[in-house]
Amino acid sequence: AIQLTQSPSSLSASVGDRVTLTCRASQGISSALAWYQQKPGKAPKLLIYDASSLESGVPSRFSGSGSGTDFTLTISSLQPEDFATYYCQQFNSYPTFGGGTKVEIK
Amino acid sequence: QVQLVQSGSELKKPGASVKVSCKASGYTFTTYAMNWVRQAPGQGLEWMGWINTNTGNPTYAQGFTGRFVFSLDTSVSTAYLQISSLKAEDTALYYCARDSPGGTFDIWGQGTMVTVSS
Repeated sequence: AIQLTQSPSSLSASVGDRVTLTCRASQGISSALAWYQQKPGKAPKLLIYDASSLESGVPSRFSGSGSGTDFTLTISSLQPEDFATYYCQQFNSYPTFGGGTKVEIK
Repeated sequence: QVQLVQSGSELKKPGASVKVSCKASGYTFTTYAMNWVRQAPGQGLEWMGWINTNTGNPTYAQGFTGRFVFSLDTSVSTAYLQISSLKAEDTALYYCARDSPGGTFDIWGQGTMVTVSS
């Protein structure tokens, strides 16, 4: 199975900060990567698909990049509602998720 | 609107069975496959497998064979997850999630908490 490693596992940031989250795949997955946001007590929400395509309704401050094995999710200006846990997921083969990055308030 | 609504929380004893439902609305149920995802308390997301809503054919991820069964009732646009011989380690939130044409999970149910305790 393809393993996804997210880093860091957690980070503290302030409102307005630019934040970059990383996801590394154990083998090449082309652009078959998605990013999800999960808030406490809520279901995950799709943010980015195909590594860099923004899901409808998702604010443009979210962006994704990468291909092959290395991917990033960037939040250009962190907003209060963005404090959450973020998961990457590959769908090149049977789906797997990364371990998550928790974004906390500094 | 497009949504998936899951059944309520369950408290079961070890060895019992549980059946979680996931009712779809706002779209043609048989057009999109349905996935099941587990989230143990304080842990990450784990894909359990998926079911082809057109054929009813299930695919189970490693670690989810034997005691886990996916099924459908297309007449009521509902997918089911049944877990038998429950163990304490099955305690988790279980989500259904629609499979988008691109392979991502674009619509999620609200989750069903299954607690296994004597």
